[in-house]
Amino acid sequence: GAVVSQHPSRVICKSGTSVKIECRSLDFQATTMFWYRQFPKKSLMLMATSNEGSKATYEQGVEKDKFLINHASLTLSTLTVTSAHPEDSSFYICSARDPYTGAYFGPGTRLTVT
Amino acid sequence: AQKITQTQPGMFVQEKEAVTLDCTYDTSDPSYGLFWYKQPSSGEMIFLIYQGSYDQQNATEGRYSLNFQKARKSANLVISASQLGDSAMYFCAMRSLNRDDKIIFGKGTRLHILP
Repeated sequence: GAVVSQHPSRVICKSGTSVKIECRSLDFQATTMFWYRQFPKKSLMLMATSNEGSKATYEQGVEKDKFLINHASLTLSTLTVTSAHPEDSSFYICSARDPYTGAYFGPGTRLTVT
Repeated sequence: AQKITQTQPGMFVQEKEAVTLDCTYDTSDPSYGLFWYKQPSSGEMIFLIYQGSYDQQNATEGRYSLNFQKARKSANLVISASQLGDSAMYFCAMRSLNRDDKIIFGKGTRLHILP
């Protein structure tokens, strides 16, 4: 089946630095990818919809200048957390659209900001 | 507005028993899809089962079945003959087939299978 990868799987960074998370569709082209954030013991919160070749669509309450999304190719979308702070520590998951299963999910990235 | 409600934050079930995880949804769209995902402690999201709003029969996938009651707007997941490996977080999700394809999730149910 289709596979979506994320890199890195875990990252620890210092407050004030920026972190880039990559999401790749390995054997299919994904014109649309989604970025989710998951807080401990809570549901997945959709952050933004990433469309290849165009600007991302952000959900209400998500700072677009803080969470930069780039979908430069049909197999790669990146999420950059700029000037990260401890409250940005979370589990970030990307997914790529599929008409039948809803989405293929990446394995997630655990971000810890110290 | 679209909404998914999972009212059971946690459940404990004896191994080999059947378990039902509740999910209700709210949408004004006539065409939508309902999903269940399993999330083990590793964090990955595993697709379990899908039900389309126009599907006449309830979806089944191995030990998983979806009890779809459209009039009640419920899409409960039934796991038959539960196993220890079923212990995980389970999310109900919905996707509008008329809009932007994004999926919204319920808060999840933590399932514990007891030996």
